[in-house]
Amino acid sequence: ETGVTQTPRHLVMGMTNKKSLKCEQHLGHNAMYWYKQSAKKPLELMFVYNFKEQTENNSVPSRFSPECPNSSHLFLHLHTLQPEDSALYLCASSQGQGGDTEAFFGQGTRLTVV
Amino acid sequence: DAKTTQPPSMDCAEGRAANLPCNHSTISGNEYVYWYRQIHSQGPQYIIHGLKNNETNEMASLIITEDRKSSTLILPHATLRDTAVYYCIVRPDYSGTYKYIFGTGTRLKVLA
Repeated sequence: ETGVTQTPRHLVMGMTNKKSLKCEQHLGHNAMYWYKQSAKKPLELMFVYNFKEQTENNSVPSRFSPECPNSSHLFLHLHTLQPEDSALYLCASSQGQGGDTEAFFGQGTRLTVV
Repeated sequence: DAKTTQPPSMDCAEGRAANLPCNHSTISGNEYVYWYRQIHSQGPQYIIHGLKNNETNEMASLIITEDRKSSTLILPHATLRDTAVYYCIVRPDYSGTYKYIFGTGTRLKVLA
């Protein structure tokens, strides 16, 4: 248990559906992240938020829409996804601005787009 | 950000020390070295990090060379549960940096 909780753990959705992934941390951290991990590929950074403000968008398609209502919660809204978007989506959080701050990851949401 | 180079895979006998190398020859003076591991399809787990000095915690030891161009993660007594992909990451220490960039890592297999 890392203190970062992701729901749901598994999700199957059609290409015309709209769904949301949720991430919650109770560590008092101010930065939160979304990563995507496709099969047999490295983790890809998608978005970074710091104190609810987006500080990084790594050229992510607009069919992925993040939302950070407060420092403890992060959402990833999904709509009109493609089968190649099937992947493990990971949320992480960290405290502080410097390099001497480790990030903690949730267990991920396994997304399958059919 | 400095890039890291790791061997794609390694084997280690159970009970023996696992020594995982990482090359970061372009590292800057203000960049930390982090190690994470990912057990099959789970979220990455933080192991240890350091700047210049060697570090040790309950999970592992981190040995950083004097020139800081390489490091070694040591799992002193590897168990089957240590089978995972191990990632070495460098991360700058200046205001406004929030990124952790993962490479392909080293797939460690602990053998019974």
